[in-house]
Amino acid sequence: AQTVTQSQPEMSVQEAETVTLSCTYDTSESDYYLFWYKQPPSRQMILVIRQEAYKQQNATENRFSVNFQKAAKSFSLKISDSQLGDAAMYFCAYRSAKLRGGADGLTFGKGTHLIIQP
Amino acid sequence: DSGVTQTPKHLITATGQRVTLRCSPRSGDLSVYWYQQSLDQGLQFLIQYYNGEERAKGNILERFSAQQFPDLHSELNLSSLELGDSALYFCASSFGQGVSEAFFGQGTRLTVV
Repeated sequence: AQTVTQSQPEMSVQEAETVTLSCTYDTSESDYYLFWYKQPPSRQMILVIRQEAYKQQNATENRFSVNFQKAAKSFSLKISDSQLGDAAMYFCAYRSAKLRGGADGLTFGKGTHLIIQP
Repeated sequence: DSGVTQTPKHLITATGQRVTLRCSPRSGDLSVYWYQQSLDQGLQFLIQYYNGEERAKGNILERFSAQQFPDLHSELNLSSLELGDSALYFCASSFGQGVSEAFFGQGTRLTVV
């Protein structure tokens, strides 16, 4: 079974600074997807960024970028120019790309609580 | 707004009771996924339906069941409720069964007293 580990329960960053959230995963598969989801106090799960394992290029979405190291099974999220609205729980998630009689759901890490200091 | 609608938003019930949570997927999405978020277990995948058929099971208890109807909405039924079932239950939807991206509803907060 796949596992996702987020080793930082909480991170704090000054507004406008850059912060990196860590995520490692364990899998025996070669084809999969990785995601970062944001959960603000409203509880809504919002997709921040995704990465296909077969792509060597790191995904980028505006101020959000990832550092995907497949061999190391590492998938960190970098948030540049942090804004107050970035304050939330951030979850790293894994999903197999295989269809084993149907697709499995996401496997989530425990989350990192990101605090933005004004 | 993700386009996924969950009702009710909040639910308070007593131990031993049965409840039904409802999910309407985004227009055109055929897959529905149910997740449970609790303080103890974190976010866990429960079950997936695709076009009316069960496709994958995660850590779903035998007391829980789900179904997807011809109009593609889904219901998650929780019975013989225990205090430990108190959690946030999310529904997510995607177009296909193997696509990478799923969109989440706002969740139903279940409190068992």
